[in-house]
Amino acid sequence: AQTVTQSQPEMSVQEAETVTLSCTYDTSESNYYLFWYKQPPSRQMILVIRQEAYKQQNATENRFSVNFQKAAKSFSLKISDSQLGDTAMYFCAFILHNAGNMLTFGGGTRLMVKP
Amino acid sequence: ETGVTQSPTHLIKTRGQQVTLRCSSQSGHNTVSWYQQALGQGPQFIFQYYREEENGRGNFPPRFSGLQFPNYSSELNVNALELDDSALYLCASSLAGVNTEAFFGQGTRLTVV
Repeated sequence: AQTVTQSQPEMSVQEAETVTLSCTYDTSESNYYLFWYKQPPSRQMILVIRQEAYKQQNATENRFSVNFQKAAKSFSLKISDSQLGDTAMYFCAFILHNAGNMLTFGGGTRLMVKP
Repeated sequence: ETGVTQSPTHLIKTRGQQVTLRCSSQSGHNTVSWYQQALGQGPQFIFQYYREEENGRGNFPPRFSGLQFPNYSSELNVNALELDDSALYLCASSLAGVNTEAFFGQGTRLTVV
């Protein structure tokens, strides 16, 4: 079975600064995908960024980037130039290759961006 | 292109009752999965449907059951409700295949009293 752990229940950052959210996972499989999802108060999960395990290059999406360390089973999210709209719950998630929508989520990190 | 819609948005039920939650998948999506998200926790996978067949299930008892219809919409049924079933229930849809993104609905908040 796969597990995902987020060790930071809450974090805060000043607007325009950079913050890093941590995630570790455990699996014996080699072919999988990792995701960061954002859940604002509206409750809808929004995909922030994804990483294929077979790719060595770290994924980036505008202000969002990841540090994927496969050997260490670590997958952190860096948010640059934080904005007030980034305030939300952030969930790290894992899925095996060809597993459809069967995601395993971490417990989440509540991020507060302060003006 | 319509997104994933869930109904109702909120629901209050009494312990022991039965409940049905509904999900309309995004246009063209043939895979639907359901998640339970307790307050302050991450979502837990309940089960997944592909072309009207259940093809994956998490660690949930049989009183959690589902259906997927020919138009790929889906229902989640929970029998003999317990207080611990109080949670946000999320539905996600995707197109089966590699490298496809799951799109989530806004969820149904179920409160069992």
